[in-house]
Amino acid sequence: AQKITQTQPGMFVQEKEAVTLDCTYDTSDPSYGLFWYKQPSSGEMIFLIYQGSYDQQNATEGRYSLNFQKARKSANLVISASQLGDSAMYFCAMREGTSNTGKLIFGQGTTLQVKP
Amino acid sequence: GAGVSQSPSNKVTEKGKDVELRCDPISGHTALYWYRQRLGQGLEFLIYFQGNSAPDKSGLPSDRFSAERTGESVSTLTIQRTQQEDSAVYLCASSLGLSSYEQYFGPGTRLTVT
Repeated sequence: AQKITQTQPGMFVQEKEAVTLDCTYDTSDPSYGLFWYKQPSSGEMIFLIYQGSYDQQNATEGRYSLNFQKARKSANLVISASQLGDSAMYFCAMREGTSNTGKLIFGQGTTLQVKP
Repeated sequence: GAGVSQSPSNKVTEKGKDVELRCDPISGHTALYWYRQRLGQGLEFLIYFQGNSAPDKSGLPSDRFSAERTGESVSTLTIQRTQQEDSAVYLCASSLGLSSYEQYFGPGTRLTVT
């Protein structure tokens, strides 16, 4: 069955440093998409970055990059030059391509705190 | 433009009462999704609509939960005979289509069952 695992309940990072948030996934579908969302304390879900299973290159969006290691089934999020505003809950999610439902399966999340 | 909106933002209800949660998707978005997020947890998929059709209701936690959508517009999630375990934030999202990878989320409705 499809599953997303985030093993870090909480992480700390010093402002301006880089941080990696871990995500592993399990699926038997050869076609899938991987997502990262940010959820600040206000509660809204903010889309950050997307990686398709057939994409040859790692996705990047500004300070966010996704370290996609297909053989290991991992999709870690790297945030460079952390800012205080990056403090939030981060969720990794997966959508299976052949299910054609658009359904996202989420991990349990990682709380990131950026220290000044 | 306007994003996904949800109402009410907060709802406190007594155990056993029925509640109705509303979602207004982004105009033109044909796909609409409902998720539930318990305190400190990830999001749990409930149901999706393509247009006003909901082909898969298997994510709904029990038969007390139902959802409908009018055309490609407003959706309501109804919980009958609420229980304390229904307390959670209910999030709605919409996208241009099922194959569109970006889902835009609303602010959620925080439901508290006392």
